[in-house]
Amino acid sequence: EIVLTQSPATLSLSPGERATLSCRASQSVSIYLSWYQQKPGQAPRLLIYDASNRATGIPARFSGSGSETDFTLTISRLEPEDFAVYYCHQRSNWPPLTFGGGTKVEI
Amino acid sequence: EVQLVESGGGLVQPGGSLRLSCAASGFTFSSHEMNWVRQAPGKGLEWISYIGSNESSIFYADSVKGRFTISRDNAKNSLFLQMSSLRVEDTAVYYCARDGLWEPFDSWGQGTRVTVSS
Repeated sequence: EIVLTQSPATLSLSPGERATLSCRASQSVSIYLSWYQQKPGQAPRLLIYDASNRATGIPARFSGSGSETDFTLTISRLEPEDFAVYYCHQRSNWPPLTFGGGTKVEI
Repeated sequence: EVQLVESGGGLVQPGGSLRLSCAASGFTFSSHEMNWVRQAPGKGLEWISYIGSNESSIFYADSVKGRFTISRDNAKNSLFLQMSSLRVEDTAVYYCARDGLWEPFDSWGQGTRVTVSS
């Protein structure tokens, strides 16, 4: 099973600041890493797939990078609606499909 | 507009059974692979089951293997999860999630809550 470790667990920032979230895989997942945003009481929403492709309708301030075992989600300038929990997910070697433990971006 | 609407959640005693449904609309259901993902209270996301577009492939997480059964009815645009031998640790919000052509979990339902308690 591929384990995804996200860091930090919590990121405290202000609107307008840059957010950098990390996801590390226990073995290579090539580029098959995606990112999801979840707000309280809501379902997750796909942001990034295949490491760096923005999903439909996702603002350009969200970007993804990385390959193999190290990945980054960057939010260039935080908007008030971006404060949420972010999960990474791998679809390289499965089953099982796995998620990281999440990073909470808070004000 | 893609819509996924789960139903069937509720309160059940340990050892009991429950059947979840996910009604799909706004897309060609039979062309898409589908999944169930759950989230225990205050915890992260856990994938529990996958089914191919024509049921050609089915996979389960070890935590539910042998107890849960995923199925689909393409004629009725519906996905199901039959859950049996339920445990307290199965308490969670259960989401159905669609796989896009390239994008994993590109659409999600709003979730249905399952509580296993005596």
